[in-house]
Amino acid sequence: EVQLVESGGGLVRAGGSLRLSCAASGFIFSSYSMNWVRQAPGKGLEWVSSIISSSSYIFYADSVKGRFTISRDNAKNSLYLQMNSLRAEDTAVYYCARDLPGGDGDYFDYWGQGTLVTVSS
Amino acid sequence: SYELTQPPSVSVSPGQTARITCSGDALPKKYAYWYQQKSGQAPVLVIYEDFKRPSGIPERFSGSSSGTMATLTISGAQVEDEADYYCYSTDSSGNHRVFGGGTKLTVL
Repeated sequence: EVQLVESGGGLVRAGGSLRLSCAASGFIFSSYSMNWVRQAPGKGLEWVSSIISSSSYIFYADSVKGRFTISRDNAKNSLYLQMNSLRAEDTAVYYCARDLPGGDGDYFDYWGQGTLVTVSS
Repeated sequence: SYELTQPPSVSVSPGQTARITCSGDALPKKYAYWYQQKSGQAPVLVIYEDFKRPSGIPERFSGSSSGTMATLTISGAQVEDEADYYCYSTDSSGNHRVFGGGTKLTVL
């Protein structure tokens, strides 16, 4: 059974930093691209960042580029998101999601339960 | 930036057919995907590549796409189908991964 378990969320002041982790199990982690997707309170889903299996290619949404860094450790079956220079608008539940190759691009097939990040101004 | 547009809400009575639309300029060339999110839970994939249904998803969920619009249809909607539904796709370059704004489905 595929499991994705996020951790590391919490309350942080604007301008501060936080590191999120996602522990993966039930599949060969090193074979899949992975993502972070967030959801602000009462709002919709927003893709944040993607990293391919080998870490050779990394992508960010414009809203976090230059402030967030995605990484992974395939030996530990873990995905990370280092968040710096946090802003109030970064307040959201952050989901870890696995990518599955589709006919014309990847899509998210499994999601974790999310971890809440609250940035106080 | 690329956008996918969904109606904010759809309401049906139990047993009726619910249709949720998603419009986007790249949809003639790109697949649409649909996610169901119940209150306080993580999203769940219900339709992929326009019309395919993952294992475990009830047959009453179906998808279609024509031109710039994709549609999620729930035939004989049930109370447990109440949720927010999000379409997902990419722009024509494949570089921008985008969700629609979400549609709240009410079944009562």
